[in-house]
Amino acid sequence: SAVISQKPSRDICQRGTSLTIQCQVDSQVTMMFWYRQQPGQSLTLIATANQGSEATYESGFVIDKFPISRPNLTFSTLTVSNMSPEDSSIYLCSSGGQAGYTEAFFGQGTRLTVV
Amino acid sequence: DQQVKQNSPSLSVQEGRISILNCDYTNSMFDYFLWYKKYPAEGPTFLISISSIKDKNEDGRFTVFLNKSAKHLSLHIVPSQPGDSAVYFCAASAPDSWGKLQFGAGTQVVVTP
Repeated sequence: SAVISQKPSRDICQRGTSLTIQCQVDSQVTMMFWYRQQPGQSLTLIATANQGSEATYESGFVIDKFPISRPNLTFSTLTVSNMSPEDSSIYLCSSGGQAGYTEAFFGQGTRLTVV
Repeated sequence: DQQVKQNSPSLSVQEGRISILNCDYTNSMFDYFLWYKKYPAEGPTFLISISSIKDKNEDGRFTVFLNKSAKHLSLHIVPSQPGDSAVYFCAASAPDSWGKLQFGAGTQVVVTP
């Protein structure tokens, strides 16, 4: 299985600031995704991080708020911009497309608190 | 609109007994279903999956059953162990959307001695 490392694991941020979350996979993967888990809720897909092109966002999520980069097949970043307390969530990246695997693997998540 | 539903937010089971977790879905286009387990402060860990062309898949203590006509799947854990105490998420994906998962709300399982 893929090993996915996310940084930071947690952070407390002031409203109005931005935070960039990094996701590193230990092998080249076709697909990378970003999810959000709001308190007491399920995981919701934010976007698909496309290598070499703009990310594909799900309904309700926009690039200005959640810019995503994917410069290569092992790395992606998600920025949460102009944060408000409503952005307090766990943000998770996942990957898939490794040969021989049909499931998606997840990083440990980044717990963000906006004050 | 929640397309994957786990209607039981919690389940308590005695060690050694069977845990049965249920999941319903509304989107008939879903063709691949997965179960993930999540401990606090960790990311979801893949447990077991099933394709829509099957009705059962077994892996050790874990068995997933799929009833397509009822749009229902279940996860059986036998025997339950204290280390199984976690939140279990049901997830589904549609064709050409591999990796883009729709998750249920999760079921908190507590295995008691």
